[in-house]
Amino acid sequence: QVQLVQSGAEVKKPGASMNISCKASGYTLSAYYMHWVRQAPGQGLEWMGWLNPKSGDTNYAQSFQGRVTMTRDTSINTAYMELTRLSSDDTAVYFCTRWASGTLDPWGQGTLVIVSS
Amino acid sequence: SSELTQDPVVSVALGQTVRITCQGDSFRSYYASWYQQKPGQAPVVVIYGKNNRPSGIPDRFSGSISGNTASLTITGAQAEDEADYYCNARDSSGKHVVFGGGTKLTVL
Repeated sequence: QVQLVQSGAEVKKPGASMNISCKASGYTLSAYYMHWVRQAPGQGLEWMGWLNPKSGDTNYAQSFQGRVTMTRDTSINTAYMELTRLSSDDTAVYFCTRWASGTLDPWGQGTLVIVSS
Repeated sequence: SSELTQDPVVSVALGQTVRITCQGDSFRSYYASWYQQKPGQAPVVVIYGKNNRPSGIPDRFSGSISGNTASLTITGAQAEDEADYYCNARDSSGKHVVFGGGTKLTVL
């Protein structure tokens, strides 16, 4: 079945960068756009941007412009999301999710990133 | 970009019908999706498009749009429906995605 499996939890220092992977199985990564969404503790869902794995094109939410980079390695069916210049406000669970049939489905299991000195 | 507005908290008696709404200009051009999220879990889509349910989603879940308001209706709410519900859609540019702030549904 279609599944997205993300890399494990990370603890980062302020100012550092994070890089999360999202491995797709059950389908070809390049066939569907991949979106990234985050959720701060006790808060709602925040859309970060999308990646077209076929072309490498990206589109990021304004609030992350300049700090986020979404990439992919189609040879291993994996998407990546890098976020730089981390602060405590970036402490959140980060999800990758496939855009299919006009909706986001499925979702990865989420990756908890804690930013703390 | 557009904003989507949801009521933060909604409650429903067991077995009764509840409607969760989401307001935003996006719905004049795009369909809504609705996601259910239980504590510690990833969101799961329950309704998308005109009124489509993924396989495995009970038919007590349905969706509709009227003007700038999208609605998720649960007909005969069950205890397992207690969760956070988020709406989303493309924004006015069509290139970005926006989420509502979420509605916490309590089944009494």
